[in-house]
Amino acid sequence: GAVVSQHPSRVICKSGTSVKIECRSLDFQATTMFWYRQFPKQSLMLMATSNEGSKATYEQGVEKDKFLINHASLTLSTLTVTSAHPEDSSFYICSANAGGYEQYFGPGTRLTVT
Amino acid sequence: SQQGEEDPQALSIQEGENATMNCSYKTSINNLQWYRQNSGRGLVHLILIRSNEREKHSGRLRVTLDTSKKSSSLLITASRAADTASYFCATPNSNSGYALNFGKGTSLLVTP
Repeated sequence: GAVVSQHPSRVICKSGTSVKIECRSLDFQATTMFWYRQFPKQSLMLMATSNEGSKATYEQGVEKDKFLINHASLTLSTLTVTSAHPEDSSFYICSANAGGYEQYFGPGTRLTVT
Repeated sequence: SQQGEEDPQALSIQEGENATMNCSYKTSINNLQWYRQNSGRGLVHLILIRSNEREKHSGRLRVTLDTSKKSSSLLITASRAADTASYFCATPNSNSGYALNFGKGTSLLVTP
């Protein structure tokens, strides 16, 4: 089946710094990838749609200048959390679809901002 | 955007028993999916049911869909300790192509 990887799996950073999370489709090409955010014991919330070669589409309430998305190739999307604050601490998960409705999810990145 | 609602929020059963989880949604859909998430991990796709289907089976999983009631159920038969996880239903996000809207999830605990 289709495999999606994320790196890093865990990251701890200080307030005010920026953190980059990578999402890769390992065995298929993905023109579109999705970034979700999940708080403890809660559901996933769609943050943005990452489009290869064009600007990302952000959901209402998600600051595009704070959560920078770059989809420079058909297998890689990156999410950069800029000037991170403790309230940005969360579990970030990316996904992609390989031609059907099913989404293939990365293993997630646990971000802790101190 | 729509959000599904699952019930129960938490379910605790013993191995061998069946587990039933329900999901409701708000808008018209062309498919509904169920995903599983182990603690602190990504999601794994379990099963997809299309709007013109009423029931679908996959191994020990049985999913039903009632579009008139905007609800779905996931039944896991003969549960195992390894089935312990959170289960989410997901419907298409009408604004974002193949993106999904997730329900709040059911946390299933299967004890030996």
